[in-house]
Amino acid sequence: AQTVTQSQPEMSVQEAETVTLSCTYDTSENNYYLFWYKQPPSRQMILVIRQEAYKQQNATENRFSVNFQKAAKSFSLKISDSQLGDTAMYFCAFMVYSTLTFGKGTMLLVSP
Amino acid sequence: GAVVSQHPSWVICKSGTSVKIECRSLDFQATTMFWYRQFPKQSLMLMATSNEGSKATYEQGVEKDKFLINHASLTLSTLTVTSAHPEDSSFYICSARDRRDSGSSYEQYFGPGTRLTVT
Repeated sequence: AQTVTQSQPEMSVQEAETVTLSCTYDTSENNYYLFWYKQPPSRQMILVIRQEAYKQQNATENRFSVNFQKAAKSFSLKISDSQLGDTAMYFCAFMVYSTLTFGKGTMLLVSP
Repeated sequence: GAVVSQHPSWVICKSGTSVKIECRSLDFQATTMFWYRQFPKQSLMLMATSNEGSKATYEQGVEKDKFLINHASLTLSTLTVTSAHPEDSSFYICSARDRRDSGSSYEQYFGPGTRLTVT
């Protein structure tokens, strides 16, 4: 069975600063996908960034980037130049055979 | 593109009644749809996977007779909570995969969720 662990229940950061959210996972599979989703107060799940396990290059989407360490089974999310609109619950997720497994989430609060 | 809708967005029902939640892919056809449950301040838990035209596959611990899933068309899946009780109160989220995606693709498009309150 796959497990996803997010060890930071809550994080705070000031506007314009950088914050890193951590995520580790456990699997015996070799081919899989990793995601970070954002869930704002509206509760709509929004895909932030995705990473294919077979790609060594870390994914980047504007202010969002990941540090994917396959051997260590680590997949952290870095948010640069944090904005108030980044305030949300962030879920790390693992996918194999089309099944998504989510971590417990990290609540990120961006303050002025 | 890739919009998924859910209806209703919020429903209140009395204990013992049944309630149906619809999940629609608006601009694509979905061969596979997923139903998740999310308790307050908790993560999403996969309840079941439904494929168009076939029976849903339920996750361990999910009661098939209580949570009836029907995926009768390529754009619609329904979740019916039968004989609802207060402990079924939760936030239910569906997602869908585009049939045009290859077998190795991975994108799931999420609906906005349905809040169910059973009184």
